[in-house]
Amino acid sequence: SQQGEEDPQALSIQEGENATMNCSYKTSINNLQWYRQNSGRGLVHLILIRSNEREKHSGRLRVTLDTSKKSSSLLITASRAADTASYFCATDTSWGAQKLVFGQGTRLTINP
Amino acid sequence: EAQVTQNPRYLITVTGKKLTVTCSQNMNHEYMSWYRQDPGLGLRQIYYSMNVEVTDKGDVPEGYKVSRKEKRNFPLILESPSPNQTSLYFCASSSRGAHYGYTFGSGTRLTVV
Repeated sequence: SQQGEEDPQALSIQEGENATMNCSYKTSINNLQWYRQNSGRGLVHLILIRSNEREKHSGRLRVTLDTSKKSSSLLITASRAADTASYFCATDTSWGAQKLVFGQGTRLTINP
Repeated sequence: EAQVTQNPRYLITVTGKKLTVTCSQNMNHEYMSWYRQDPGLGLRQIYYSMNVEVTDKGDVPEGYKVSRKEKRNFPLILESPSPNQTSLYFCASSSRGAHYGYTFGSGTRLTVV
């Protein structure tokens, strides 16, 4: 079942610009997580924001969560070529079971 | 180095020939999970395990089996693979499960012909 839906599906920007990706979900959550996937490789956990948090920072990453709108955004500031990857949001909707549900991802391309 | 190791990385097999994809983690994590990734469908959970001898179905368990006899290993078994199981498979582990985020393996690209 698809819970998170990322927007846009693809994003292409110039190096140094900021990149913003959005995620919408349907049901109440424990937390929302963002992962990065380089082409064909495993996913790397970037940041987790809990349902009672509104904003979180980690280095050049800023995540916001609006539970009233059931949406989250991931901002990558001062983008670099190495940020080129697919970014996925994943929602933990379970209270006990291990149910991390991923969206379809946003394909981010940073042009030099 | 803390990691989740999957083997093999690539596998081409024929329909009906039983295969096992191994997954091992060296972080003493209790929680482990298998996902498959398909274009247009994203990542879908196949099975998960909350501890040794404790496993449960995810969203797409049909055609798969798992076992968790030891904490570090969580093999994925395809008893009779079919072409619709051609996919990119990921194993993941976590110290506290989905509530805290997963560490993923590098993936196994399986082709069933």
